[in-house]
Amino acid sequence: QSVLTQPPSVSAATGQKVTISCSGSSSNIGVNHVSWYQQLPGTAPKLLIYDNDERPSGIPDRFSGSKSGTSATLGITGLQTGDEADYYCATWDSRLSGGVFGGGTKLTVL
Amino acid sequence: EVQLVESGGGLVQPGGSLRLSCAASGFTFNTYVMNWVRQAPGKGLEWVSSISESGDRTYYAVSVKGRFTISRDSSKNTLFLQMNSLRAEDTAVYYCAKSRVFTGPPFDSWGQGILVSVSS
Repeated sequence: QSVLTQPPSVSAATGQKVTISCSGSSSNIGVNHVSWYQQLPGTAPKLLIYDNDERPSGIPDRFSGSKSGTSATLGITGLQTGDEADYYCATWDSRLSGGVFGGGTKLTVL
Repeated sequence: EVQLVESGGGLVQPGGSLRLSCAASGFTFNTYVMNWVRQAPGKGLEWVSSISESGDRTYYAVSVKGRFTISRDSSKNTLFLQMNSLRAEDTAVYYCAKSRVFTGPPFDSWGQGILVSVSS
């Protein structure tokens, strides 16, 4: 049971847009920044979004992030087959004094 | 270019010990918080532990507290994870990850991961 809640799976057609939600609480998302990671099959995770809505250099602007209250959302536009991966949200939990991840969302591009 | 290379994984019996290492290069090691994150087979990511830039502050997940010890050697640009009293549920790929700025996420660089299997 993860501290942050994500849908297990989402799907959308090539070229379309998809959003992935991440729900937390007042001790984690409510007071700390959220980051998002993409994990392609058999590889290490890769940072996609940090500080709720910032993209590291090299990450295309098809990827976006937002946060409101105790929830965060990852958006991906212009879906490509290469976007098929597992996506995770993460933040620091001030009550636990530790990092927390969502359970992960598997994206299928139809 | 940031590089993180884990080593020290393998098969160990329940109750045994293992020490993971993470060799870091491409950045000023002693100015960044470092972390361990693990992923059990077919499961999601789990934060394990973080250590401050100087090593004076450490943080642990409840699931490993009292059994695992994180440390760092800035003279060798190396991060460690000493794992004692290992259990079957500790079986996972362990990743070394660099924090971008402060303690914990975001993790802006990751190693390739090292497999730890706990089984008799």
